[in-house]
Amino acid sequence: EAGVAQSPRYKIIEKRQSVAFWCNPISGHATLYWYQQILGQGPKLLIQFQNNGVVDDSQLPKDRFSAERLKGVDSTLKIQPAKLEDSAVYLCASSSTGYEQYFGPGTRLTVT
Amino acid sequence: GNSVTQMEGPVTLSEEAFLTINCTYTATGYPSLFWYVQYPGEGLQLLLKATKADDKGSNKGFEATYRKETTSFHLEKGSVQVSDSAVYFCALSDKRDYKLSFGAGTTVTVRA
Repeated sequence: EAGVAQSPRYKIIEKRQSVAFWCNPISGHATLYWYQQILGQGPKLLIQFQNNGVVDDSQLPKDRFSAERLKGVDSTLKIQPAKLEDSAVYLCASSSTGYEQYFGPGTRLTVT
Repeated sequence: GNSVTQMEGPVTLSEEAFLTINCTYTATGYPSLFWYVQYPGEGLQLLLKATKADDKGSNKGFEATYRKETTSFHLEKGSVQVSDSAVYFCALSDKRDYKLSFGAGTTVTVRA
């Protein structure tokens, strides 16, 4: 069974630029999560989708972050404009039951 | 709210040494508990889990017991190897909405 795929693996941008991350969950997993992991901290949930609907986006900075999950499969997370403090690893996870989440390799974003 | 506190690192050990990483939690209700591991350059992998008091999760020589009376889920391994070098995260999942709350992570380095 293929795991959660993410791209790109690394991205370096200047502040005020925009960036997008892509996630392809495990086939059949209805729930998809985006996490932000700042260096030295545990992952923090940004947004949770159930199929193509948003379940929880209470921690998403909506003035600059947006996310969508078209057709209930792939998802994209966008930052526009980026700030220095957005430098982090962005992790995508998926789940079929909600109980056990499977994580992708992450995208490491550096904002200069 | 829910929170996880785990032992600060970094931890450096010699091969075949005994490893303990302390983890305590605060939760409303009765959560499920997890240990995730993150190897260099990779995403989070579920290491072990426990869903109720006195459950013992185990995998790859690692063990952790769900202690409700002390609200703890300490990770242990009797004889570590160089390949165990990684960052270890303790996490809890609220059984009402399955949201994961992570500790800050403990970096473990095992020297040959």
